[in-house]
Amino acid sequence: GENVEQHPSTLSVQEGDSAVIKCTYSDSASNYFPWYKQELGKRPQLIIDIRSNVGEKKDQRIAVTLNKTAKHFSLHITETQPEDSAVYFCAAPSGGSYIPTFGRGTSLIVHP
Amino acid sequence: NAGVTQTPKFRVLKTGQSMTLLCAQDMNHEYMYWYRQDPGMGLRLIHYSVGEGTTAKGEVPDGYNVSRLKKQNFLLGLESAAPSQTSVYFCASSDTRGKETQYFGPGTRLLVL
Repeated sequence: GENVEQHPSTLSVQEGDSAVIKCTYSDSASNYFPWYKQELGKRPQLIIDIRSNVGEKKDQRIAVTLNKTAKHFSLHITETQPEDSAVYFCAAPSGGSYIPTFGRGTSLIVHP
Repeated sequence: NAGVTQTPKFRVLKTGQSMTLLCAQDMNHEYMYWYRQDPGMGLRLIHYSVGEGTTAKGEVPDGYNVSRLKKQNFLLGLESAAPSQTSVYFCASSDTRGKETQYFGPGTRLLVL
């Protein structure tokens, strides 16, 4: 099955700084890579995703990059704001299925 | 359109008791999932279903059973609760291949004493 590693486990930044979270995966056939955001006490919600036929995708202040050769993908948040404080999860499905394996999560803290 | 709902929101059980968690979705999704979330462990898949009448084991299935008698409902059962099953349980659903976004329910917080 898929093995997904996520780093760092905790990330503390000042408001306005950039934040980068990285995930590596093991199954070279994986083709869909979502990122979910979970605010305290809430459910995880998709914030951005990328498919294996593109290398980068942006949505306002967030972007995801994918390096299929190295088997890693990263979440980039620019101009961080206190409301970005949350736990972020990456996920990757085993290549032959749609069942995702989640990373262990990154707790992002944005200090005002 | 309620999305994915879960009942109950919170429950306290004594060791050895049984209970059923109910998940319902109104998006006509084929796939449904049960996860447990523990501090530092992310979301771990317990069981999943690819359609009405089908179920399969995930990463941590021991001590749990599931049923999907209707497409919109996915039930998670604990036959004999143990303190190790204290966790937050999330249900999720997703559409077919090409639309893999998972939609999560609000979660059920379970405490086993």
